[in-house]
Amino acid sequence: QKEVEQNSGPLSVPEGAIASLNCTYSDRGSQSFFWYRQYSGKSPELIMFIYSNGDKEDGRFTAQLNKASQYVSLLIRDSQPSDSATYLCAVTNFGNEKLTFGTGTRLTIIP
Amino acid sequence: DAGVIQSPRHEVTEMGQEVTLRCKPISGHNSLFWYRQTMMRGLELLIYFNNNVPIDDSGMPEDRFSAKMPNASFSTLKIQPSEPRDSAVYFCASRTRETQYFGPGTRLLVL
Repeated sequence: QKEVEQNSGPLSVPEGAIASLNCTYSDRGSQSFFWYRQYSGKSPELIMFIYSNGDKEDGRFTAQLNKASQYVSLLIRDSQPSDSATYLCAVTNFGNEKLTFGTGTRLTIIP
Repeated sequence: DAGVIQSPRHEVTEMGQEVTLRCKPISGHNSLFWYRQTMMRGLELLIYFNNNVPIDDSGMPEDRFSAKMPNASFSTLKIQPSEPRDSAVYFCASRTRETQYFGPGTRLLVL
């Protein structure tokens, strides 16, 4: 079993709709959770991180964490064509700087 | 700030040759990470340093790979001898607080 799992996609969403990206992790000791966006041919860039159960909102992005279910998700509201990218989920343990990445979900926003 | 700087951006070499990748982290960041990204395996951590000291090199695939960080502003990743299966994009990242900032990457092709 992979430590961090994501559906590779591609996930196609109409422009203006909500895109929902999901991630599960195997290590119950995981404490911090990150979502990175990577455009084709570019490097990953951090969108947001979350530590506590519940929702965290930043503009059009909402991260949701459920530690009991070992599940973290990213919602993108009012999807734009510029949101088309691969989204990487990453986790780390308390006091550990080492990030473990999922293989990413490729998202395509259809105009 | 110029961000994380990597060189070269592209490298094409022949099997058996030595390859050296270079990274300059963001000034003031005390942790540096080397990653490798392929379609098959995704983004994998190779090694990371904290205050110029290697902390975790468990991701280094084999003895052909070595990394150094002689000072806070420079790190190298060396592959000797290189093999076609080393072809990948190699990213360097530096960290402050919770956030890792990635460099633009070095695209390596070993023929």
